[in-house]
Amino acid sequence: QKEVEQDPGPLSVPEGAIVSLNCTYSNSAFQYFMWYRQYSRKGPELLMYTYSSGNKEDGRFTAQVDKSSKYISLFIRDSQPSDSATYLCAMSAPYNTDKLIFGTGTRLQVFP
Amino acid sequence: DAGVIQSPRHEVTEMGQEVTLRCKPISGHNSLFWYRQTMMRGLELLIYFNNNVPIDDSGMPEDRFSAKMPNASFSTLKIQPSEPRDSAVYFCASSLGGSGAQPQHFGDGTRLSIL
Repeated sequence: QKEVEQDPGPLSVPEGAIVSLNCTYSNSAFQYFMWYRQYSRKGPELLMYTYSSGNKEDGRFTAQVDKSSKYISLFIRDSQPSDSATYLCAMSAPYNTDKLIFGTGTRLQVFP
Repeated sequence: DAGVIQSPRHEVTEMGQEVTLRCKPISGHNSLFWYRQTMMRGLELLIYFNNNVPIDDSGMPEDRFSAKMPNASFSTLKIQPSEPRDSAVYFCASSLGGSGAQPQHFGDGTRLSIL
């Protein structure tokens, strides 16, 4: 079993839709959670960073962490065609914060 | 502010040839990571350095792969001899040290094709 599971998609939605992207994980020691966005032929770029449980909002993006369920989510409101990319979750534990464990990524397509 | 710089962006070579990928991390960052990305396996950590010292190379596939970081501003990943199954996108990333998990900043990768 992989430490981090992520639905590969693709997820195709119309412009303006609310998008929900999710990851589950098995290591209860994970405390640092990140979402990266990767455009085609580019490197991943950090989108959101949360520590432990709770919500974090940044513009149209909201990251949620539910440690009791070992489940994290990224919500995108009012999705735009420019949001079309692959979204990767990543997480690490306090005993090795340098080592990020990545999900395989979910490909999102937002059509006009 | 310059990001992580990788070269070359694309590399096409024949099986058995030596391949060298290069990376310049963000100035001031003291951790450097090499990843490989494929459709099948996603993003895999190969090796990472802290203050130029290799910390964890458990992800290096086999002895054909080697990585060096001779100074804080340069690292190489070498494959010798290369095989078709090494075809992938190789990313370098860097991060600041310090408490807690530091975000990693990625270069745009080297797309490697071994014929």
